[in-house]
Amino acid sequence: NAGVTQTPKFRVLKTGQSMTLLCAQDMNHEYMYWYRQDPGMGLRLIHYSVGEGTTAKGEVPDGYNVSRLKKQNFLLGLESAAPSQTSVYFCASSELHGYTFGSGTRLTVV
Amino acid sequence: GQQLNQSPQSMFIQEGEDVSMNCTSSSIFNTWLWYKQDPGEGPVLLIALYKAGELTSNGRLTAQFGITRKDSFLNISASIPSDVGIYFCAGHGYGGATNKLIFGTGTLLAVQP
Repeated sequence: NAGVTQTPKFRVLKTGQSMTLLCAQDMNHEYMYWYRQDPGMGLRLIHYSVGEGTTAKGEVPDGYNVSRLKKQNFLLGLESAAPSQTSVYFCASSELHGYTFGSGTRLTVV
Repeated sequence: GQQLNQSPQSMFIQEGEDVSMNCTSSSIFNTWLWYKQDPGEGPVLLIALYKAGELTSNGRLTAQFGITRKDSFLNISASIPSDVGIYFCAGHGYGGATNKLIFGTGTLLAVQP
């Protein structure tokens, strides 16, 4: 049972480049989330999904897009990366209470 | 955006000492959760609290859901080096069907052998 798997684990982008972060969960959870973690800021919600085919904005959605075409996958896209998006990105999934997190993607935008 | 106030921001203690950290909010929560994050990993759930006044233990960890529903604390007894990490509180507010969690800013714990 892998839980929540994020790919890639590390990535360096140039300003203006685009990329997609993939999150996959094998627990059949309805809810999925993308967070970013910055020093001193805790975890901030970017986008989330309450089920296949649905997405919604979180606390800091600007500059990001998401898609949930399949229940087990939640993709986070950066269309035109900016240095301010340098961060560690975490995906999580849940049913009722208690999220299961992936191990994170460390993204650096230069 | 809404965040929980978590304190202290960091703690540097000797092995064997007890640790206490807390979280407060201006709004009521119906669930409080405590997570631990090891370096290079995602947060892992330690304890979940579902009722006001609830006191729950998990080994050397004890957490309580405040009576006012606006606070929670986590205690770690007899700390050991592997307790090192960042501890986050998190809560579910009332209403809505989104299951969203709001996270505290974290407490960095360092334990010196």
